[in-house]
Amino acid sequence: GAGVSQSPRYKVTKRGQDVALRCDPISGHVSLYWYRQALGQGPEFLTYFNYEAQQDKSGLPNDRFSAERPEGSISTLTIQRTEQRDSAMYRCASSSTASNQPQHFGDGTRLSIL
Amino acid sequence: GQQVMQIPQYQHVQEGEDFTTYCNSSTTLSNIQWYKQRPGGHPVFLIQLVKSGEVKKQKRLTFQFGEAKKNSSLHITATQTTDVGTYFCAGKYGGTSYGKLTFGQGTILTVHP
Repeated sequence: GAGVSQSPRYKVTKRGQDVALRCDPISGHVSLYWYRQALGQGPEFLTYFNYEAQQDKSGLPNDRFSAERPEGSISTLTIQRTEQRDSAMYRCASSSTASNQPQHFGDGTRLSIL
Repeated sequence: GQQVMQIPQYQHVQEGEDFTTYCNSSTTLSNIQWYKQRPGGHPVFLIQLVKSGEVKKQKRLTFQFGEAKKNSSLHITATQTTDVGTYFCAGKYGGTSYGKLTFGQGTILTVHP
């Protein structure tokens, strides 16, 4: 596609359930980033992939959060045993290379934990 | 920790007035990027500044990077209603070869016609 695609756009689930958020980056983009954006705040870095390798997961809040990008393209961010504090907009961004390049953001997944 | 502070949080202007948002880091940045997010939209890249003291212009927008590479500003001349949105700075610190960005809180710009 022309841009970064994320699905679902909205996800409402009960506390304690697991959720999987999907990101389909721009074709050919090597670098993929996951961010979390609270209302009224800037995106907060979660994790970074270079091709299929997860090179930085320093921003993941705790071990309930994990991410993968098995074939170097589509990525999935998984949150296990969700809690209300996990409610936020989760954004994916991709860039053409690992170096200083513009990041192209998707429309995000709005996650609400009841 | 590494943090980028951005002010003001909100700015209301009349169409035609100028607007400036400022970002500051307590430690030196490798480079800084600016993004614009329209209401209900996603951040869209505007520009990247790399060199100390760098100034770049895009039509009515002027971006500056401080001499010490710790602060940056975005100035819009003669605002238009199309300028409405949230402007974010995003700093990159040294130590990584990839674009791990630390975003400021953003400045929400409202333009009254």
